Amino acid sequence: DAGVIQSPRHEVTEMGQEVTLRCKPISGHDYLFWYRQTMMRGLELLIYFNNNVPIDDSGMPEDRFSAKMPNASFSTLKIQPSEPRDSAVYFCASSSTGVGSPLHFGNGTRLTVT
Amino acid sequence: AQSVTQLGSHVSVSEGALVLLRCNYSSSVPPYLFWYVQYPNQGLQLLLKYTSAATLVKGINGFEAEFKKSETSFHLTKPSAHMSDAAEYFCAVKEGTGRRALTFGSGTRLQVQP
Repeated sequence: DAGVIQSPRHEVTEMGQEVTLRCKPISGHDYLFWYRQTMMRGLELLIYFNNNVPIDDSGMPEDRFSAKMPNASFSTLKIQPSEPRDSAVYFCASSSTGVGSPLHFGNGTRLTVT
Repeated sequence: AQSVTQLGSHVSVSEGALVLLRCNYSSSVPPYLFWYVQYPNQGLQLLLKYTSAATLVKGINGFEAEFKKSETSFHLTKPSAHMSDAAEYFCAVKEGTGRRALTFGSGTRLQVQP
């Protein structure tokens, strides 16, 4: 299996621009998670989906952030407009149904907003 | 609410020495516990998981962890450190309820001195 695939690996953009991060989960996994990693706040859960339906989006910072999962093999995280404080590494992860199933992480997207 | 505390943001050991990374958790229900490793510019890789079977869990790369309910601990150990073990290590907890997201500790950076 190819694992969780994220694109792009690096994104540099100017403040105010729209940014879209993409994720392809492991085939057969029905949970998908978006996390953000920063030095100050560590790993934070932003949102997670079950069977393409958002279950918990309480970690989404504000209305500038939105996430979608149009089908079982694709999800996007969009930031519009972006701000310098959004600079971080964004990880996508997926897991199977079992309650004790681990999360499998992609290699992340490093976002820099100037 | 669940939480994880990792004692020591940085740990330094000599090659061949014992590795001990500490993790304490808080959970209102029996938890599932995980250790992940992160190498520079990569995603998180699962080292091992505790899912209420054996209290001593063996993982990849010679690591193991022991679940101690009385101490609410899940410390990670390796008898003999190798240079390739230098990385950041994260402890994570998932409550044994419907919520599927992991809550991560702040991480411990392991340095291995030659």
